[in-house]
Amino acid sequence: GNSVTQMEGPVTLSEEAFLTINCTYTATGYPSLFWYVQYPGEGLQLLLKATKADDKGSNKGFEATYRKETTSFHLEKGSVQVSDSAVYFCALSGAGETSGSRLTFGEGTQLTVNP
Amino acid sequence: EPEVTQTPSHQVTQMGQEVILRCVPISNHLYFYWYRQILGQKVEFLVSFYNNEISEKSEIFDDQFSVERPDGSNFTLKIRSTKLEDSAMYFCASTPGIRGGNSPLHFGNGTRLTVT
Repeated sequence: GNSVTQMEGPVTLSEEAFLTINCTYTATGYPSLFWYVQYPGEGLQLLLKATKADDKGSNKGFEATYRKETTSFHLEKGSVQVSDSAVYFCALSGAGETSGSRLTFGEGTQLTVNP
Repeated sequence: EPEVTQTPSHQVTQMGQEVILRCVPISNHLYFYWYRQILGQKVEFLVSFYNNEISEKSEIFDDQFSVERPDGSNFTLKIRSTKLEDSAMYFCASTPGIRGGNSPLHFGNGTRLTVT
């Protein structure tokens, strides 16, 4: 079955540091890949997505590239801010399905950015 | 921007009691979901719902669980007889259901269920 593995947290960085959160996946076919973010006290929000190999998703300075050869979708940001402190979830949805396919989530990585 | 709203934000119940968690999905969305997150664990899929019936459910979604869209706006999750291990954050989500678009899910803020 499908699975997603994220780097273990928590991650603590200083403001303006470089961020990488690793994500690898196991799936049949060509899944779509997502990063969701959960700010304290809020629900999950879509941060970015990629739907096919070599696609790069980007939003709010965050980027992730769909690497089929390494089955990875690592999240990066060049310069983090205190406001980026949140839990980040990597997720995938089934290949070749219409919208409405279920998401499989990673464990989540808690990021804390200190001033 | 339209939001998925969930009520209550926190529910405390005794073991064996029935609970109903409520969600109002975004109005033009067609697919609805429940996920849960036990403290410190992954977010897990429970069930998806389309066209007034369950389209998919996980092994977690046993006979103690049921979903309903009673009035065209609310989408509810009922747990018939709660167990301690049902304590979790329950997230409702919806998506427009554009065919082939893999539209992302829009999540509510969750209901924290505590079973004592």
